[in-house]
Amino acid sequence: DVKVTQSSRYLVKRTGEKVFLECVQDMDHENMFWYRQDPGLGLRLIYFSYDVKMKEKGDIPEGYSVSREKKERFSLILESASTNQTSMYLCASSLTGGLMNTEAFFGQGTRLTVV
Amino acid sequence: AQSVSQHNHHVILSEAASLELGCNYSYGGTVNLFWYVQYPGQHLQLLLKYFSGDPLVKGIKGFEAEFIKSKFSFNLRKPSVQWSDTAEYFCAVSIYNTDKLIFGTGTRLQVFP
Repeated sequence: DVKVTQSSRYLVKRTGEKVFLECVQDMDHENMFWYRQDPGLGLRLIYFSYDVKMKEKGDIPEGYSVSREKKERFSLILESASTNQTSMYLCASSLTGGLMNTEAFFGQGTRLTVV
Repeated sequence: AQSVSQHNHHVILSEAASLELGCNYSYGGTVNLFWYVQYPGQHLQLLLKYFSGDPLVKGIKGFEAEFIKSKFSFNLRKPSVQWSDTAEYFCAVSIYNTDKLIFGTGTRLQVFP
């Protein structure tokens, strides 16, 4: 069964802390994504990785960075957490579709609260 | 940049009513289109997808969607909703031959018995 696992369901961090959100997939997928989900704003793409050590900025990369050292793991880093980064963070993965995109599989999400 | 619009933010229906949720995208080239659903407390899962061919696509749980290229639309439909369809529905688009997936703002559907 397809699985995308996010390391924490709930996190509470202080303003200014460096925060790491981890995501692991067991499907040998090339693509991995980080989104944040906010009421009324839907899912907004933060960063996208199409291969190990390769990344592409999404629509809202400011204040975030990512790391993909191994194919199965994609980390989202908040360099200095701020209260406006309080949100639900979703990780997803998909196969490289070539001419035909494949579906993305999602993790359960990490609800991050920055106080 | 590509974008996705979902104009219905919150829809309330009674059981057995028909459903249509709008989705429009902004990109002039070939796209792949998806509808995802998020049931309360669960992760997002795929309802249906369109890559090519018949513009009327059937998905799980009796849902279908129609791709109308001239209108840049991919509306989701179900002839008769059930209470268990209460969820948030997201339309998503990716440009043909890329893997970057962009979502709309979502539509919250509430179905009352």
